[in-house]
Amino acid sequence: NAGVTQTPKFQVLKTGQSMTLQCAQDMNHEYMSWYRQDPGMGLRLIHYSVGAGITDQGEVPNGYNVSRSTTEDFPLRLLSAAPSQTSVYFCASSTSGTPNSPLHFGNGTRLTVT
Amino acid sequence: AQSVTQLDSQVPVFEEAPVELRCNYSSSVSVYLFWYVQYPNQGLQLLLKYLSGSTLVKGINGFEAEFNKSQTSFHLRKPSVHISDTAEYFCAVSEDTDKLIFGTGTRLQVFP
Repeated sequence: NAGVTQTPKFQVLKTGQSMTLQCAQDMNHEYMSWYRQDPGMGLRLIHYSVGAGITDQGEVPNGYNVSRSTTEDFPLRLLSAAPSQTSVYFCASSTSGTPNSPLHFGNGTRLTVT
Repeated sequence: AQSVTQLDSQVPVFEEAPVELRCNYSSSVSVYLFWYVQYPNQGLQLLLKYLSGSTLVKGINGFEAEFNKSQTSFHLRKPSVHISDTAEYFCAVSEDTDKLIFGTGTRLQVFP
């Protein structure tokens, strides 16, 4: 059982380049979210979605776009990468986004922007 | 606004010793509290959660946590740790249904 799959695992970008981090889940979860993890700062919520066609901003949305055209996929787009976006990115999903349904995390994408 | 404080960034402990990882939160309303664990090069997985009811919550791998409303704390404990418990542990809080706010993490290092 795949769970939450993130690709790529590692990526190096130059400042100003664009890219999309992919996230797919096969658990038919309605709720999906993106976090970034930085040393000493824990995980911070970037964007989240409570279902196909619905997205909303988290704590640190600037510089990132998302869309949710299907239940399974929730890609994160960096339109013009900056060194401040160097981080480890985690995608997570749950049945409903309520406290009763725990988050399932992918294994992360380590992004370096030079 | 809700927030989570994990006072210890690192906790070194010898195998078979007890351990407590501290977590304090701030919120003006009722909260839901969680502990997640992250093993090296992996995503996070849920250890335990407090939603309501008994303030002592038991989780996987022998961990437990106690919700203390008066002290706004949710400390994680294990009576006897194993080398395999070496990981980073995150406390998290949720007020509403959509957003989970994480603490900065505590790295537990278990030595033989």
